[in-house]
Amino acid sequence: ETGVTQTPRHLVMGMTNKKSLKCEQHLGHNAMYWYKQSAKKPLELMFVYNFKEQTENNSVPSRFSPECPNSSHLFLHLHTLQPEDSALYLCASSQDRGNSPLHFGNGTRLTVT
Amino acid sequence: SQKIEQNSEALNIQEGKTATLTCNYTNYSPAYLQWYRQDPGRGPVFLLLIRENEKEKRKERLKVTFDTTLKQSLFHITASQPADSATYLCALVFSNTGNQFYFGTGTSLTVIP
Repeated sequence: ETGVTQTPRHLVMGMTNKKSLKCEQHLGHNAMYWYKQSAKKPLELMFVYNFKEQTENNSVPSRFSPECPNSSHLFLHLHTLQPEDSALYLCASSQDRGNSPLHFGNGTRLTVT
Repeated sequence: SQKIEQNSEALNIQEGKTATLTCNYTNYSPAYLQWYRQDPGRGPVFLLLIRENEKEKRKERLKVTFDTTLKQSLFHITASQPADSATYLCALVFSNTGNQFYFGTGTSLTVIP
């Protein structure tokens, strides 16, 4: 186990649906991240939370809405997505926002139909 | 903008040989460079970190070099085994961008028995 758990592992949703991705880390880390991974593209940082405060939003469309209720949990709320949003969504955590290695979950494979 | 290139998309080598993967970047040198391994259906797993002022780092059969003049990092796996087959990602961390990680697209390594 990686210490970072993501649910669900797979999700298929229509463009009019609303769903949420969940991430939980058991490592006592202070920073949590959402990344998007599409085929043949680099990992794309979406959001960063440090000590529960959002510190970065990399020009992500508003149809993606993050929530960090505490330092162990991170959510990504999805609504009115587009087919091009289909990808692997990875949650990660790190000790701090320095050079600490990222600890990734195994991701949610999202398909938008 | 910063560009990161990892040699070929796919690399096939014979078991027992040394695999060498490259990570080239443009513009500014990162403060840190990290290497991750990603297996199909899994999130990336941290392997090694090398700092700007370090030339080489080793961990068991893994070796990473960092040449800021060439703007290149090399990742070596000696005595390769079929279990080393995976995608390997390099990530650059720049201290002047709030320690944001910039990932390459990865190199898929296949070790042939």
